[in-house]
Amino acid sequence: GAVVSQHPSWVICKSGTSVKIECRSLDFQATTMFWYRQFPKQSLMLMATSNEGSKATYEQGVEKDKFLINHASLTLSTLTVTSAHPEDSSFYICSAFGGWGYTFGSGTRLTVV
Amino acid sequence: DAKTTQPTSMDCAEGRAANLPCNHSTISGNEYVYWYRQIHSQGPQYIIHGLKNNETNEMASLIITEDRKSSTLILPHATLRDTAVYYCIVFGAAGNKLTFGGGTRVLVKP
Repeated sequence: GAVVSQHPSWVICKSGTSVKIECRSLDFQATTMFWYRQFPKQSLMLMATSNEGSKATYEQGVEKDKFLINHASLTLSTLTVTSAHPEDSSFYICSAFGGWGYTFGSGTRLTVV
Repeated sequence: DAKTTQPTSMDCAEGRAANLPCNHSTISGNEYVYWYRQIHSQGPQYIIHGLKNNETNEMASLIITEDRKSSTLILPHATLRDTAVYYCIVFGAAGNKLTFGGGTRVLVKP
């Protein structure tokens, strides 16, 4: 079946630094990938839609200059959290359409200290 | 994509069937019903999907009403490992962004 690999699974960074999260579709090509953020005990919130070879589309209220998305190939999308602050600490999840439906990565737990 | 309504939480006894309802009264003719579940601190996992007919796989069964305005996910023999948040999602075409509701938090008790 379709597999989406997400790395790292967890990361701790200092306030003011940047963090890159990778999302790879392992056995299928994904022209579109999605990035979600999830706070404790809340549902997944869509942040942006990543399109291969073009600019990402951000949901209302999501700062595109803070959350940089690059979808340079049909199997890789990256999310960079720039100048991270403690309020950016969250669980980030990527997704792509493959197999029976949307397949999700295992998520990245970001903690900014 | 159509909006869905699910109960916030439910408990289930280990070994018994768990029936999870979902209301999607505004579903369109070309929209599928998908079910995912999310175990704590993991990404959502695909369970099953359907359009009109009832579906069954190794994980669960999906019962869709004739008018397609609601559905029920059935976990035939719940185990402790089935404790998770279950999301019912409706969407029409690949590439459409998925919007998650609150889901149903299922707690399987021994």
